[in-house]
Amino acid sequence: SSELTQDPAVSVALGQTVKITCQGDSLRRSYANWYQQKSGQAPVLVIYGEVHRPSGIPARFSGSSSGNTASLTIAGAQAEDEADYYCNCRDSNDRHLELFGGGTKVTVL
Amino acid sequence: VHLQESGPGLLKPSETLSLTCTVSGGSISSGSIRRYYWNWIRQSPGKGLEWIGYIFDNGGTNYSPSLKSRVTISIDTSTNEVSLKLNSVTAADTAVYFCARGRETSETTWRVSYYYYMDVWGKGSTVTVS
Repeated sequence: SSELTQDPAVSVALGQTVKITCQGDSLRRSYANWYQQKSGQAPVLVIYGEVHRPSGIPARFSGSSSGNTASLTIAGAQAEDEADYYCNCRDSNDRHLELFGGGTKVTVL
Repeated sequence: VHLQESGPGLLKPSETLSLTCTVSGGSISSGSIRRYYWNWIRQSPGKGLEWIGYIFDNGGTNYSPSLKSRVTISIDTSTNEVSLKLNSVTAADTAVYFCARGRETSETTWRVSYYYYMDVWGKGSTVTVS
């Protein structure tokens, strides 16, 4: 089916590592992107093409994928990383269409 | 590149939502190397991101199947503007509407991989239907 599934919420202690996952059949054939959205702001691209980090994004953000699951890892989470994170990819059933996951709220304790 | 959404913030049910995304600091047109497409995405209060559709600079469009019957996206390359029209709105269309630049890039390793992602976003325009 054309859906991307994310856990609604996850928490991480300051300085620790957190992994956010995104599951969906489209991820077997399409590359995942990840967006960070802080409260009241527009989303910001943090990972594209599964593993690529745009200029200006800290190295503690990394992406990976296996099978139908894409992951975003924040290594050494900072207070400013508290945000909603959304995965996105092209629909493998119709490559012209875009899909978004439901989002994961990351809380830094 | 900077994107700015604009348009009426309050609509009545059954009216047509019309928003404009003005692109500044760069061209709305794709070049021989870089290919852009211009997206509209919305976010209902307390909810996640919902893709509405996109348009290429040649006018080609693709829309979300759930909104396709009510949506029209157009582009004016002379003014660097992308427009969204959503007709017959209801309270369910109340949302923040974002425009975002999509990019198609490729990487050649042992094969050619194509990446599609939204790298620049506007701040969003709040639309309330009541």
